Amino acid sequence: EAGVAQSPRYKIIEKRQSVAFWCNPISGHATLYWYQQILGQGPKLLIQFQNNGVVDDSQLPKDRFSAERLKGVDSTLKIQPAKLEDSAVYLCASSLDVTRPAPLKKETQYFGPGTRLLVL
Amino acid sequence: DAKTTQPPSMDCAEGRAANLPCNHSTISGNEYVYWYRQIHSQGPQYIIHGLKNNETNEMASLIITEDRKSSTLILPHATLRDTAVYYCIVLGSSNTGKLIFGQGTTLQVKP
Repeated sequence: EAGVAQSPRYKIIEKRQSVAFWCNPISGHATLYWYQQILGQGPKLLIQFQNNGVVDDSQLPKDRFSAERLKGVDSTLKIQPAKLEDSAVYLCASSLDVTRPAPLKKETQYFGPGTRLLVL
Repeated sequence: DAKTTQPPSMDCAEGRAANLPCNHSTISGNEYVYWYRQIHSQGPQYIIHGLKNNETNEMASLIITEDRKSSTLILPHATLRDTAVYYCIVLGSSNTGKLIFGQGTTLQVKP
């Protein structure tokens, strides 16, 4: 089974530029997550999708970050304009369907390799 | 979701068992204990999860105390490839599945 795919793997940009990351989840997974991981810290959730709807975007800096999952499969995360503090690894994860009733509800999340962003 | 406390770092000799503790004293009855690990330059990887009973799979064993206030992840025969940051996370049944990562425990397996 193919895992979660992300691209690009690395990106270097200057502050105030824009950047976009792409994620392709595991086939059939309804739930998709984007996490931000700053060096030395654990990942922090930015946004969660259930199919093509947003479940949680409370930690997404909406003035500069946006994300979409138009057809309920692939997703893109965009930063515009980037700041120095956006330098981090951006991780995408997917799971089968967290809306299924317990005890099935607790679905494992599968993570992609991440995109390492450096903002200069 | 309950907060967890883990030691920042641990060492283990290759071939020996690695026992990673986690304290979750405020856990409630419907909250699960999950363990993930993150090898350098990779995304986190699911290891195991449990509610009340001890659990074992091909990667590890999870021992949860009777009062559920703490748990231990056991890697029975640690190898150099087990060197990673290990995260203990508590998830409630009402949670949307969002993982709240702490600092985790950096496990260094030494030859």
